[in-house]
Amino acid sequence: DAGVTQSPTHLIKTRGQQVTLRCSPKSGHDTVSWYQQALGQGPQFIFQYYEEEERQRGNFPDRFSGHQFPNYSSELNVNALLLGDSALYLCASSFGPNEKLFFGSGTQLSVL
Amino acid sequence: AQTVTQSQPEMSVQEAETVTLSCTYDTSESDYYLFWYKQPPSRQMILVIRQEAYKQQNATENRFSVNFQKAAKSFSLKISDSQLGDAAMYFCAYRTPNQAGTALIFGKGTTLSVSS
Repeated sequence: DAGVTQSPTHLIKTRGQQVTLRCSPKSGHDTVSWYQQALGQGPQFIFQYYEEEERQRGNFPDRFSGHQFPNYSSELNVNALLLGDSALYLCASSFGPNEKLFFGSGTQLSVL
Repeated sequence: AQTVTQSQPEMSVQEAETVTLSCTYDTSESDYYLFWYKQPPSRQMILVIRQEAYKQQNATENRFSVNFQKAAKSFSLKISDSQLGDAAMYFCAYRTPNQAGTALIFGKGTTLSVSS
């Protein structure tokens, strides 16, 4: 049984570019949450998708957007990248919005 | 706003010994959940233990146990019989039972090293 898978594992972009990160939830899960983890910090909640809708959003600008597909997989898009967007982006899935979270291994984004 | 504070950036323990990681939180809610997550070098966050605020009994999971002091807003993790595989970053996290979602609020983490 595959767990939460994220792609790519590493990514290098330059300031001003746009990036798309992908997440496939654990089998049977229908809810996906995204977190940003800066170096030396704890993860910060970006948003959660359930039934293809954004259900909850953290304190992140509109440059951060997402999508959930009918097969429950999800994308995180970040526009107009800033140096401060460099971080580990973690995806977590669950069966329902309030159930136990299972995390992926993340995408390490570096913005130069 | 709710906050989670981990005041120990780094801790160390020898194999087979016991170590306690500290966590305090601030909230005006009466019902909530608290968690300890482990993040090894693989970067995947792994749930170690969970505590419901309405339960007075401290949660335990094998060698891992918590000391939950609701009035003091304290939630420490005790690891008994430490093993080399316990070396990782440990995060304390908080969540309200919000029907809208499962947003976790994390502390900054404690790096635990285990020596043989």
